[in-house]
Amino acid sequence: NAGVTQTPKFQVLKTGQSMTLQCAQDMNHNSMYWYRQDPGMGLRLIYYSASEGTTDKGEVPNGYNVSRLNKREFSLRLESAAPSQTSVYFCASSTEGTGELFFGEGSRLTVL
Amino acid sequence: GENVGLHLPTLSVQEGDNSIINCAYSNSASDYFIWYKQESGKGPQFIIDIRSNMDKRQGQRVTVLLNKTVKHLSLQIAATQPGDSAVYFCAEKEGGSNYKLTFGKGTLLTVNP
Repeated sequence: NAGVTQTPKFQVLKTGQSMTLQCAQDMNHNSMYWYRQDPGMGLRLIYYSASEGTTDKGEVPNGYNVSRLNKREFSLRLESAAPSQTSVYFCASSTEGTGELFFGEGSRLTVL
Repeated sequence: GENVGLHLPTLSVQEGDNSIINCAYSNSASDYFIWYKQESGKGPQFIIDIRSNMDKRQGQRVTVLLNKTVKHLSLQIAATQPGDSAVYFCAEKEGGSNYKLTFGKGTLLTVNP
């Protein structure tokens, strides 16, 4: 029973490089989310997908793009990484309309 | 583990004591509140939720209290155990939004054996 799986768990990038964080859930949830977590800032919503085929901006979308590939998968792309994007990224999923989010284990990204 | 414990409010209790973690929210339009627990190196985990038409809800060893007058939420943990050591976040959802949760900055709970 995997739940929400994120890859990679750790990544180091140089400024200007690009990368994609992958997320998959096996709970048949309609809604998926990407959050970033910084010290003292709590979790901030980057993008979310209410259902397959739709994506919307959250609180801090600048510098990111997302793709809801199918019902299971929701990826986050950094086209040109910046040091300000050094953070821990969490993917989550939920049944539509509930606050009970199921989170992955996180992906720690460092941009030099 | 993660360095999310830096700059956080902290609460230190003895094993067996009751813990109370507080959260102030600012949005009067929020109609749904949730508590999450995050252990070191892991993703947040749902604990309990409460809707704005309630002022108290109980779970297993946990109770959430909501005071809408002063926009205050609290999480009470009975008979705190070492496994309860974690960062605890409150989150709120604005009425009319199904998807956007706003998380607080978290409180680090340390349980001393």
